[in-house]
Amino acid sequence: KQEVTQIPAALSVPEGENLVLNCSFTDSAIYNLQWFRQDPGKGLTSLLLIQSSQREQTSGRLNASLDKSSGRSTLYIAASQPGDSATYLCAVPTSYGKLTFGQGTILTVHP
Amino acid sequence: GAGVSQSPSNKVTEKGKDVELRCDPISGHTALYWYRQRLGQGLEFLIYFQGNSAPDKSGLPSDRFSAERTGESVSTLTIQRTQQEDSAVYLCASSLVAGGNTGELFFGEGSRLTVL
Repeated sequence: KQEVTQIPAALSVPEGENLVLNCSFTDSAIYNLQWFRQDPGKGLTSLLLIQSSQREQTSGRLNASLDKSSGRSTLYIAASQPGDSATYLCAVPTSYGKLTFGQGTILTVHP
Repeated sequence: GAGVSQSPSNKVTEKGKDVELRCDPISGHTALYWYRQRLGQGLEFLIYFQGNSAPDKSGLPSDRFSAERTGESVSTLTIQRTQQEDSAVYLCASSLVAGGNTGELFFGEGSRLTVL
């Protein structure tokens, strides 16, 4: 059974810092890995999707890497801003589109 | 549409009543998913549609829960005889492809259900 773990559970940083969020998964036979953000009371917003054949994906200040063999992904956020404050979730598909989610990292960026 | 649309955004109901939650996926998306998120909890998978068939209903918590989908369009999640433990945000998502490699999933804003 696939298990997804995210570390840390919560992170508080001053504005402008670069930061790394970690995601690990137990079964390396994945098709892809997706990172989302969730604002309080809102749905999930897709940030990045990395296919299993890719090593990383970039979108603006975000960079996600994937190491399938070690079962790890990282989300790097450069020059963090207060607007980046949210819960960040990683997820991998298990069977037929069922995503297994990590518990998330609650990020707070303070001015 | 431009994104996944869900309605109602908020629903307050009395215990024992039936509720229907609606999801309009992104046009052209074959796959549609329902998840539930209880307050302070992670996402719980409910059901997955490929077209209008549901290969995976394993997450439906009880026989009070049912879902259907019309073609590759609207889906309705129905909860009968609601209980207080059904209170949660119900999230719908869609993706362009079906099967094991889902491609990118896009979520709606959710329907917040409160059962009094």
